[in-house]
Amino acid sequence: DVQLLESGGGLVQPGGSLRLSCAASGFTFSNYAMNWVRQAPGRGLEWVSAVSPGADTTLYGDSVKGRFAISRDNSKNTLYLQMNSLRAEDTALYYCARWTSYYEVWGRGTLVTVSS
Amino acid sequence: QSALTQPRSVSGSPGQSVTISCTGVSSDVGGHKYVSWYQQHPGKAPKVIIYDVTKRPSGVPDRFSGSNSGITASLTISGLLAEDEADYYCCSFTGSHVLFGGGTKVTVL
Repeated sequence: DVQLLESGGGLVQPGGSLRLSCAASGFTFSNYAMNWVRQAPGRGLEWVSAVSPGADTTLYGDSVKGRFAISRDNSKNTLYLQMNSLRAEDTALYYCARWTSYYEVWGRGTLVTVSS
Repeated sequence: QSALTQPRSVSGSPGQSVTISCTGVSSDVGGHKYVSWYQQHPGKAPKVIIYDVTKRPSGVPDRFSGSNSGITASLTISGLLAEDEADYYCCSFTGSHVLFGGGTKVTVL
């Protein structure tokens, strides 16, 4: 069964850091581009970042560029998102999603709350 | 990069059809075939219902259809059912960014 399972969310103070993980199973992880998409409470979807299958290309949304870093370990079937200099507006449910020309598979999300 | 423009809400009675528009610019909706639509029920992860403008994943009813005209993509739900009440998001890939629409709440009256 194809599955994505996010972890690593929690409460962090403004200016702090957090690393999210997304464990993939049921498919050949190294064949697919992977993305992070977030959703603030009561708000819409916002694309955060993408990484190519071989990790040679990374893309970022304007609101996180320079603060977040996406990476992957194909030997561990795991996607990561390192989040630094966190702000209140980064509070959201963070989904990882498998991308072909669209988001085929989504995880259930991990909640990040930035608050003092 | 601005978000794609969707109406905040649309509504219809069971059995009717509703259409949701998604307006971008020539560098996103107007310039790429990678337009997709997602349905999201409360407390659930989004689910793709249309990809590559007009294609339907297996398991998605043919009541859902997509189209594109210039810089505006559209999702039509025909024969509206109570279970179609949800939020719907359009999405477009620009080559360097992924853009989502602000979301449309579909209410079944």
